[in-house]
Amino acid sequence: SQTIHQWPATLVQPVGSPLSLECTVEGTSNPNLYWYRQAAGRGLQLLFYSVGIGQISSEVPQNLSASRPQDRQFILSSKKLLLSDSGFYLCAWSPVGGRGTEAFFGQGTRLTVV
Amino acid sequence: QQPVQSPQAVILREGEDAVINCSSSKALYSVHWYRQKHGEAPVFLMILLKGGEQKGHEKISASFNEKKQQSSLYLTASQLSYSGTYFCGTAPETSGSRLTFGEGTQLTVNP
Repeated sequence: SQTIHQWPATLVQPVGSPLSLECTVEGTSNPNLYWYRQAAGRGLQLLFYSVGIGQISSEVPQNLSASRPQDRQFILSSKKLLLSDSGFYLCAWSPVGGRGTEAFFGQGTRLTVV
Repeated sequence: QQPVQSPQAVILREGEDAVINCSSSKALYSVHWYRQKHGEAPVFLMILLKGGEQKGHEKISASFNEKKQQSSLYLTASQLSYSGTYFCGTAPETSGSRLTFGEGTQLTVNP
């Protein structure tokens, strides 16, 4: 069966520090991968998605970047965090060619920038 | 463009019914419904596809009006476990499961 791992679960970082959040998927090949961010009490905003190794599309301009160094690994990074980067970050995957298929979410990372 | 959900919040007593609506200004291929408990990841409920196909849980039903680009989620005989925030995610024809989510509807079921 497929599983998605996301870590860490919580993170407190000072303004200006770097960020690296990691997400891995097991039990499937060539998944579509997504990073979402959720501000408190708000909906989920798509940040990045990837359909293959090295293929990253950004939905909104921001202080963050994403990379996919391996088929089932998706990394969210920042060189210098801003206060506005605080939020709940969720990684998700869907099957290849996934039109009309559900997205499976990881347990999320709650990031607080102080 | 983000779909619009209504109502923003609803409070029910156990056993009552609720309807949550989701509308989009764009032509849609699919509408996805998720429920999220506080501090947890969203959990999949249902997908409705253009053309009438549905995939989801037996105890939850939904409709998709393709002409109006609207979907409704029907929660009947609500249970305490139904409490949470419900999100609709929409995908136009070309985006696969790259979803744009609404702001959510907070559902509270009281005893």
